[in-house]
Amino acid sequence: NAGVTQTPKFQVLKTGQSMTLQCAQDMNHEYMSWYRQDPGMGLRLIHYSVGAGITDQGEVPNGYNVSRSTTEDFPLRLLSAAPSQTSVYFCASSGSGGPGNTIYFGEGSWLTVV
Amino acid sequence: AQSVTQLGSHVSVSEGALVLLRCNYSSSVPPYLFWYVQYPNQGLQLLLKYTSAATLVKGINGFEAEFKKSETSFHLTKPSAHMSDAAEYFCAVRASYDKVIFGPGTSLSVIP
Repeated sequence: NAGVTQTPKFQVLKTGQSMTLQCAQDMNHEYMSWYRQDPGMGLRLIHYSVGAGITDQGEVPNGYNVSRSTTEDFPLRLLSAAPSQTSVYFCASSGSGGPGNTIYFGEGSWLTVV
Repeated sequence: AQSVTQLGSHVSVSEGALVLLRCNYSSSVPPYLFWYVQYPNQGLQLLLKYTSAATLVKGINGFEAEFKKSETSFHLTKPSAHMSDAAEYFCAVRASYDKVIFGPGTSLSVIP
């Protein structure tokens, strides 16, 4: 059971480039989300999805786009990378049983924008 | 609106000493509360969670936390620190299915 898988693990982008961070889960979870982690700020929610075809904005959505065409996949797109988007990105998922369900995290994607 | 505060961005304890990491939350509805641990260059791993079944929750690696509604707190404790406990710890609140709010984290150092 792979859990939540993120790719790539490391990426360096130039300002203005676009890229997609991939996230896949094999637990049939309805809820998926993306966070960014910055020193001293904990994890901040970027976008989330409660099921295929349904997405919504979190706390810091600007500069990011998401889609959810399948239950398994939830890619995060950086439209035009900026140095402020240098961060560690985590994908997470949880089951549909309610807010008490455990949230499972991927291993993270380290992104540097130069 | 939900929010989480963690008092102390960095905590140092001696090996064998009590670990106490503080978490206070704000929620307009009864919340679900979580503690996660993050080791260097890794993802977050669940330590324990409160889902209203019992106020004292036991987790992995000897950690436990007590939910105190009157104090809106969910502090994490461990009687005796090990070197392997050195990590970043995050408290999180989830009052609704669609949003999980994390605190800023507390970095725990264990001194031999």
